Amino acid sequence: GNSVTQMEGPVTLSEEAFLTINCTYTATGYPSLFWYVQYPGEGLQLLLKATKADDKGSNKGFEATYRKETTSFHLEKGSVQVSDSAVYFCALKDTGGFKTIFGAGTRLFVKA
Amino acid sequence: GAGVSQSPSNKVTEKGKDVELRCDPISGHTALYWYRQSLGQGLEFLIYFQGNSAPDKSGLPSDRFSAERTGGSVSTLTIQRTQQEDSAVYLCASSLDVASGNTIYFGEGSWLTVV
Repeated sequence: GNSVTQMEGPVTLSEEAFLTINCTYTATGYPSLFWYVQYPGEGLQLLLKATKADDKGSNKGFEATYRKETTSFHLEKGSVQVSDSAVYFCALKDTGGFKTIFGAGTRLFVKA
Repeated sequence: GAGVSQSPSNKVTEKGKDVELRCDPISGHTALYWYRQSLGQGLEFLIYFQGNSAPDKSGLPSDRFSAERTGGSVSTLTIQRTQQEDSAVYLCASSLDVASGNTIYFGEGSWLTVV
């Protein structure tokens, strides 16, 4: 069945460091891929998405490229800020499917 | 409404009691989803609605859980005879429809604690 695997956290970085959170997926079709973020005390919100191979989603300095050959959708940011501290969820929704499947989440702490 | 609205935001209940959690999706969204997030865990899919219909209920953890949606809008998740393992955040989300590329929008969740 469809699944999402993302790196375990927590990830602790200093401000202005480079961030990578790995995400790989298993899907039978051609899924759309998403990164959601959950800031402390808030609900989940969409960070970025890509709906087909080689698409790059970007938002707030974060980027992720849909790599079909490696079934990956790694999240990157060149220079993190303290305000980026949150839990990040990778997710997929398969063509013809009805539910969005989430990874376990990766908690990011950014120190000043 | 402007966003997905859930109530109550927090609920503490005694073991064995029934609870109802309410979700009001974004206006015009035909698809509605319920997820559960236990402490330190990912999101567990429970059920979805397309309109008022719930084609797949296999994600519900037990027969103590049920959900309904009326008028293509508000949904209620009911947990009967609550157990301590039901303690979690129950998240509701909605999207325009179930098409794969559509973003789903989450409410802030209902925090349920069973004591």
